[in-house]
Amino acid sequence: SAVISQKPSRDICQRGTSLTIQCQVDSQVTMMFWYRQQPGQSLTLIATANQGSEATYESGFVIDKFPISRPNLTFSTLTVSNMSPEDSSIYLCSVVTLTTGNYGYTFGSGTRLTVV
Amino acid sequence: RKEVEQDPGPFNVPEGATVAFNCTYSNSASQSFFWYRQDCRKEPKLLMSVYSSGNEDGRFTAQLNRASQYISLLIRDSKLSDSATYLCVVRDSNYQLIWGAGTKLIIKP
Repeated sequence: SAVISQKPSRDICQRGTSLTIQCQVDSQVTMMFWYRQQPGQSLTLIATANQGSEATYESGFVIDKFPISRPNLTFSTLTVSNMSPEDSSIYLCSVVTLTTGNYGYTFGSGTRLTVV
Repeated sequence: RKEVEQDPGPFNVPEGATVAFNCTYSNSASQSFFWYRQDCRKEPKLLMSVYSSGNEDGRFTAQLNRASQYISLLIRDSKLSDSATYLCVVRDSNYQLIWGAGTKLIIKP
């Protein structure tokens, strides 16, 4: 399965600032996703990162707040913009390669964000 | 109603016991089914895919009933290292994963 390098692993940021999280995969993958996991809760899908075009956002998430880039099949970034304490969460990227009979989803190790 | 619902937990069980997790999903068009495990402060990791015929991996057995839209996970002879949160996950036709809230399992010596 693919190996993901997600950076940074954690950060403490001032409110009103922005943080960009990077997800680098060691092989070409079909799909890349960005999730948020708030304390004690399960994963919530933010968006599907599309190569060379705008990401597809889930209800409740907008591009102005969470701009996403995916310039190629192995790299994506998520920016958390104009942060507030409510954005404190773990952010995870996930990838899947759609080979026949195998849909293995792999996750990055996560970025633990604290907004003060 | 949530798309994927799990037992709320936590489950506190003694080491060596058998534990059963239940999960139901609402979308009958769901394509694939998984159990993930998430340790504290770690990312989720795939434990098992779940097939209609049922599948077993060592002490772990997963079952799927498409007619009832029900998924289960059984852990036999539980170990201390099995303590984690177990997440029921369903894949939709857009290859997106729909996550249950998770059930925390605590194995006690």
